[in-house]
Amino acid sequence: DIQMTQSPSTLSASVGDRVTITCRASQSLNSWLAWYQQKPGKAPKLLIYKASSLENGVPSRFSGSGSGTQFTLTISSLQPDDFATYFCQQYNTYPGTFGQGTQVEIK
Amino acid sequence: QVQLQESGPGLVKPSETLSLTCTVSGGSITSYYWSWIRQPPGKGLEWIGYINYRGSTNHNPSLKSRVTISVDTSKSQFSLKLSSVTAADTAVYYCARDRLSGWSTFDHWGQGILVTVSS
Repeated sequence: DIQMTQSPSTLSASVGDRVTITCRASQSLNSWLAWYQQKPGKAPKLLIYKASSLENGVPSRFSGSGSGTQFTLTISSLQPDDFATYFCQQYNTYPGTFGQGTQVEIK
Repeated sequence: QVQLQESGPGLVKPSETLSLTCTVSGGSITSYYWSWIRQPPGKGLEWIGYINYRGSTNHNPSLKSRVTISVDTSKSQFSLKLSSVTAADTAVYYCARDRLSGWSTFDHWGQGILVTVSS
């Protein structure tokens, strides 16, 4: 299986900060990568697919970039609703696998 | 708006079979792929398997042959059976819709159901 490694594991930030989360794959994914947001006790929510495509209804402050083995999720101006855990997921190679998550907490 | 809802026992004994059902509303089950994903407490996500409305299925090889997924289009439901469970199968189980391949882009999720494996 492809291993997905996210960094950092935890990130402390303030409202208004620009936040970047990195996801590294053990093999090339082309652009077959998604990002999800999960709040405590809730199901994950799809934010980004195909590395940089914004899911319908997701605020434009979220953006994704990268290709090959390194990808980033950027929140341009962190809002109170954005404090959550973020997961990347590859779907280039069966079976799809997830990163371990990055928790974005209030500084 | 498509909604998914998991149902089933929250407690299963070791060596027995875990059985869950997902009911789909607000949309047709005869399109897309329908998946199961789980998350052990405090840990990451693991894709379990999928089914489409025609009954084509696939599952994560890590679960070997313990997984059975079925669909009942007349009830807009799909189901998961996981046999020979151990404590390692304790997790929140989610059902989800995948619009691409069954193991790729999960755009709608159920709320999740915690299943504990314990005697």
